Amino acid sequence: EPEVTQTPSHQVTQMGQEVILRCVPISNHLYFYWYRQILGQKVEFLVSFYNNEISEKSEIFDDQFSVERPDGSNFTLKIRSTKLEDSAMYFCASSEQRGRSTNEKLFFGSGTQLSVL
Amino acid sequence: QKEVEQNSGPLSVPEGAIASLNCTYSDRGSQSFFWYRQYSGKSPELIMFIYSNGDKEDGRFTAQLNKASQYVSLLIRDSQPSDSATYLCAVTGGYSTLTFGKGTMLLVSP
Repeated sequence: EPEVTQTPSHQVTQMGQEVILRCVPISNHLYFYWYRQILGQKVEFLVSFYNNEISEKSEIFDDQFSVERPDGSNFTLKIRSTKLEDSAMYFCASSEQRGRSTNEKLFFGSGTQLSVL
Repeated sequence: QKEVEQNSGPLSVPEGAIASLNCTYSDRGSQSFFWYRQYSGKSPELIMFIYSNGDKEDGRFTAQLNKASQYVSLLIRDSQPSDSATYLCAVTGGYSTLTFGKGTMLLVSP
């Protein structure tokens, strides 16, 4: 069964360093997302991406964050200067469609646990 | 601000019982409703989705939607210890992004 893959599974970094989290969405999916989940808290939307541009972003997704689809398969999230409060599990997700459709379902990758020290 | 509210639990049920999980949402324009299951340290896994008022059944799972009351529920029949997880209610309004509740922890005891 197709799945969203994320690398690395764990990332430890020093405060102020840049990190890049990588994702390979399901191949026929057109919409890509990043969510994060701080330990014990809810899954929070960061950004959605379609047709090589950001379609929506939350207030969490400030200038320190960026996304890119550098080739036909990868989808990356970059955090330029990490803060302690960026420590969280970051989930990539993809969907075939948006809007009320049976194909709008989001499928999540296994996540990258980011620890900022 | 769109809100999705769930009782954090834990909801404890014995094996074989029916578990009932509830969710309310604030945005009347919400159109699509999802239940995800999340095991500790793992990613959310989609188990049910529903668009129309009423019930939708899939195996041991039944999702119920009442748009007038802005209420979604998930029933799990014949609960198994492997069903022990956190259940996330998620809502979207058409082309808007998926908004999650904090989840309800379900514990099924053998």
